[in-house]
Amino acid sequence: EAQVTQNPRYLITVTGKKLTVTCSQNMNHEYMSWYRQDPGLGLRQIYYSMNVEVTDKGDVPEGYKVSRKEKRNFPLILESPSPNQTSLYFCASSSLGEVSYEQYFGPGTRLTVT
Amino acid sequence: QKEVEQNSGPLSVPEGAIASLNCTYSDRGSQSFFWYRQYSGKSPELIMSIYSNGDKEDGRFTAQLNKASQYVSLLIRDSQPSDSATYLCAVNPSGAGSYQLTFGKGTKLSVIP
Repeated sequence: EAQVTQNPRYLITVTGKKLTVTCSQNMNHEYMSWYRQDPGLGLRQIYYSMNVEVTDKGDVPEGYKVSRKEKRNFPLILESPSPNQTSLYFCASSSLGEVSYEQYFGPGTRLTVT
Repeated sequence: QKEVEQNSGPLSVPEGAIASLNCTYSDRGSQSFFWYRQYSGKSPELIMSIYSNGDKEDGRFTAQLNKASQYVSLLIRDSQPSDSATYLCAVNPSGAGSYQLTFGKGTKLSVIP
């Protein structure tokens, strides 16, 4: 089954404790992206990657890091989480067709930072 | 700033009626347009994509695109309570090598039995 998976699905942590949220896709997609979703603010892009070893900032990259060492994986790293990073996080992937950039989303990770 | 605007709703329609969801975008060069459905606490699910002016139908869903007016809409015929969700409009902005999507904040649809 074609899918994007994320782990963990739920995480409660404390300020300053480094964490990693994993994202993996089995569709051989080149493009992967991380979003956060907050009430009233909608989906905002954090980082994206066009392919292995190619990453770039989205609209809200501060406080986050990413890496793309393998095509299927795109982990999101919070080195020193703060309460304002409490949010619902989604990973998405897409092939890089000439016209179609349909993105498929993972199930989400709900993060609470106390 | 490339923007995508949607009415936040809630939009309430009776079961069996047509629900009409609207979206405008600011980047005139945008090429690809998508509608996602998102149930509360769940991930966005792609339901329609449209790339050229006119209508595109898929089952009970019809997407309409008017690039001159910078307007895209989604019609849901024979609305069902299971259609109650937030609908997100997403636009691929213009620009060489641009594969990103800009999302609207979504319209909440409520279908009343």
